[in-house]
Amino acid sequence: KQEVTQIPAALSVPEGENLVLNCSFTDSAIYNLQWFRQDPGKGLTSLLLIQSSQREQTSGRLNASLDKSSGRSTLYIAASQPGDSATYLCAAYSGYSTLTFGKGTMLLVSP
Amino acid sequence: DTGVSQDPRHKITKRGQNVTFRCDPISEHNRLYWYRQTLGQGPEFLTYFQNEAQLEKSRLLSDRFSAERPKGSFSTLEIQRTEQGDSAMYLCASSLVTGSNEKLFFGSGTQLSVL
Repeated sequence: KQEVTQIPAALSVPEGENLVLNCSFTDSAIYNLQWFRQDPGKGLTSLLLIQSSQREQTSGRLNASLDKSSGRSTLYIAASQPGDSATYLCAAYSGYSTLTFGKGTMLLVSP
Repeated sequence: DTGVSQDPRHKITKRGQNVTFRCDPISEHNRLYWYRQTLGQGPEFLTYFQNEAQLEKSRLLSDRFSAERPKGSFSTLEIQRTEQGDSAMYLCASSLVTGSNEKLFFGSGTQLSVL
């Protein structure tokens, strides 16, 4: 059974800092890994999807990497802004409709 | 808005009442999912449909829960005889499966509070 762990559970940084969120998964037989953003009381917004054959994906200030062999993914946020404050969730897709989420990292960027 | 829409956004009900939620997926998407999320946790899979067929149900989906997708378009999730433990955010997602890969798009969720 796939298990996804996210570290840290919470992170507080001043505006402008670069930061890294970590995600690990136990079963490396995944098709893709997806990073989501969730604002309080809201649904999920997809940020980046990395296919199993890819090493990284970039969108604006966000860069996600994937290392299947070690069962790890990272989300790098450059030049953080207060508007980046949210919970970030990673989810591993193992095929057969199985998308397993971590518990998320709650990020607070202070002005 | 061509995203996944859910209705209502919030529902407050008394224990023992029945509630029904609706999800309208992205129009060309053939798969529809229901997830449940409690505070501080990631979403947990409940059930999913391929067109109108319900193909999988989680053990989390007790017999008080029923989901339908009658014409392969919108879906409803009904909870009968609600309990306080049913309080959660109920998320719907849809996808268009291409080969063995899939990307899910989520709605804004329905926040259920059972008093």
